[in-house]
Amino acid sequence: GDSVTQMEGPVTLSEEAFLTINCTYTATGYPSLFWYVQYPGEGLQLLLKATKADDKGSNKGFEATYRKETTSFHLEKGSVQVSDSAVYFCALSEASNTGKLIFGQGTTLQVKP
Amino acid sequence: DSGVTQTPKHLITATGQRVTLRCSPRSGDLSVYWYQQSLDQGLQFLIQYYNGEERAKGNILERFSAQQFPDLHSELNLSSLELGDSALYFCASSVGVRPTGNTIYFGEGSWLTVV
Repeated sequence: GDSVTQMEGPVTLSEEAFLTINCTYTATGYPSLFWYVQYPGEGLQLLLKATKADDKGSNKGFEATYRKETTSFHLEKGSVQVSDSAVYFCALSEASNTGKLIFGQGTTLQVKP
Repeated sequence: DSGVTQTPKHLITATGQRVTLRCSPRSGDLSVYWYQQSLDQGLQFLIQYYNGEERAKGNILERFSAQQFPDLHSELNLSSLELGDSALYFCASSVGVRPTGNTIYFGEGSWLTVV
C-alpha cells in the first residue's frame, strides 16, 4: 500500500539556520502531497501542499517541491526561527475519491536561540 | 483555532470500559475524519464520514465504531478498552470529500488514557 517515510528526528538547529526535512513516498497513481505542522498542545495545521508533479507548495517561508522522479517532497526553509519548533508531518492523499491521508512518522524540530 | 471542536480533551478510564469521543466540525464542513496518534503507530487514519455516510475506512478496530449525525457532528465509540488504546484521537473536517481541493482542519484532539 501507499506509504510515507520521513527522516528521523529530532532535528536541532540554531536560529537562522537552513532547514531540510526529507520525505519520500510510495504510491500508486498520482497522489497529492502535504506538509502538516503540530505545535505543542495543538492539533495539526496544514503548512503547504502540492497536487501534481513539479508543483511547489510554499507558506510562511517553507517550501516543498513535488518530485515524481525521486518520489520526494522535502521540506525546506532558509532561516528558521525559535517559533518554528514543532513536529512536522509529511502526508499523501491516495489517488482515490476519499479524504484519507497517510502520514509519515513525524519529525521533531527544535530551534535554539 | 481551527473551528473543529472535540470533547472531552482528556479522559482516563479503566480497561474493559467504553467511552465516546465527540466532534463538532467546522461550520459548513460535510466531511469528518477520525485519526489515532500513538507513539508506536504514529498517525493512523480510522474512518471518514461525508454528509452522514461512511466514505472510507482505515485501520479501525472492530471494538471501535463511529457515526455522523444529521447535524454533522460525529462520535467515535471505543469499547472493551485495552491499555494499547491509549492515544490522542483527532477529529478533522473539510468541506468536500478529498483533501486536494479542500483543506482538512484538525481539532486539538482527545487524550485517552486507559489504566
